Amino acid sequence: GAGVSQSPSNKVTEKGKDVELRCDPISGHTALYWYRQSLGQGLEFLIYFQGNSAPDKSGLPSDRFSAERTGGSVSTLTIQRTQQEDSAVYLCASSLAGQPILQPQHFGDGTRLSIL
Amino acid sequence: DAKTTQPNSMESNEEEPVHLPCNHSTISGTDYIHWYRQLPSQGPEYVIHGLTSNVNNRMASLAIAEDRKSSTLILHRATLRDAAVYYCILRDVYSGGGADGLTFGKGTHLIIQP
Repeated sequence: GAGVSQSPSNKVTEKGKDVELRCDPISGHTALYWYRQSLGQGLEFLIYFQGNSAPDKSGLPSDRFSAERTGGSVSTLTIQRTQQEDSAVYLCASSLAGQPILQPQHFGDGTRLSIL
Repeated sequence: DAKTTQPNSMESNEEEPVHLPCNHSTISGTDYIHWYRQLPSQGPEYVIHGLTSNVNNRMASLAIAEDRKSSTLILHRATLRDAAVYYCILRDVYSGGGADGLTFGKGTHLIIQP
């Protein structure tokens, strides 16, 4: 079956521009996560959705970052006024409902964002 | 979540078993042990998880020490495709209910020699 799909796979943009990253989770997965992985760094958790609701947005790096999810499916991560330090691979994961701790997270292959 | 310690890198030969260690001396009774791996240019991939008993699935086995202060991921017959970074992650059932996501450390870079 189809896995988690992210688009675009690569994005190059100029500093100061806004970017929108999209995640299509596995059908039926109600939990959705966003992470980012900077060059040479580990994966950093950003935000979690259960359905359309994100109970805790404190993991977002700054107020330039926002995320939404509609219809319990597709999610978008928006970065406004991009800075060079935003360059990273942005990864999305989804999992089934139930006890989130016990459900495996299924990751997409990410969007590689480069800020010039 | 409690901290884990893994070797930075390990090397093994193709078609031989691989034992990847993870120390978690401050593990709590409600921490599950999860393993993920990340192949080059891909997102992480779930491998296995367990609480107290040893676990087996089609990808690997997880051996958990009796005192739960360490665990070992076992790849029974390594292939070149198993070359990846392997992450050992603890998740507390009562911490955030999943809302805190996975906490990835540096992991172990597994190199497979043909």
